[in-house]
Amino acid sequence: QKEVEQDPGPLSVPEGAIVSLNCTYSNSAFQYFMWYRQYSRKGPELLMYTYSSGNKEDGRFTAQVDKSSKYISLFIRDSQPSDSATYLCAMSAGAAGNKLTFGGGTRVLVKP
Amino acid sequence: GAVVSQHPSWVICKSGTSVKIECRSLDFQATTMFWYRQFPKQSLMLMATSNEGSKATYEQGVEKDKFLINHASLTLSTLTVTSAHPEDSSFYICSAPDGTISGNTIYFGEGSWLTVV
Repeated sequence: QKEVEQDPGPLSVPEGAIVSLNCTYSNSAFQYFMWYRQYSRKGPELLMYTYSSGNKEDGRFTAQVDKSSKYISLFIRDSQPSDSATYLCAMSAGAAGNKLTFGGGTRVLVKP
Repeated sequence: GAVVSQHPSWVICKSGTSVKIECRSLDFQATTMFWYRQFPKQSLMLMATSNEGSKATYEQGVEKDKFLINHASLTLSTLTVTSAHPEDSSFYICSAPDGTISGNTIYFGEGSWLTVV
């Protein structure tokens, strides 16, 4: 079993819909949780960063962390075709300098 | 915001030659940088942790003599693929944690496409 599980998709939604992404993990030591967006042939771009449990909102993006269930989510409201990309969850156990463990990525396609 | 820059963006080399990829942190100093490789439609796989002023730490299964890492300054780490072969063709990405912003944000470079022919 992988440390971080993420549905590979693809997830296809119409423009304007809410995109719901999630990851589950097995390592209870993970404290820092991140979501990255990766366009084809590009490096990952940091979208959201959350420490421990709770919710965080930034514009159209909302990240949720439930450490008791070892489950994290990312919601994208009012999705746009430009949101079509692969979304990667990542997490680490310690402070800056600790390596990230990635999910496999979910490919999202927002259709106009 | 913080930026991590990689160079070159893409490179084609002949089998048996060596290729160097640079990773620079532009807005901050990074005592640690990470090198990943990513095959098409797969996630990032950590290859090694680059430590400024000391030896890199390699993940299991990664040949340290083939993938040479040098972290000579607080803003520059280099990955050299030695005696490259076609199976080394991949997307190589570096990242660096910025301890000065949000405590633990990790930024990625744009990646370097390596094709070995």
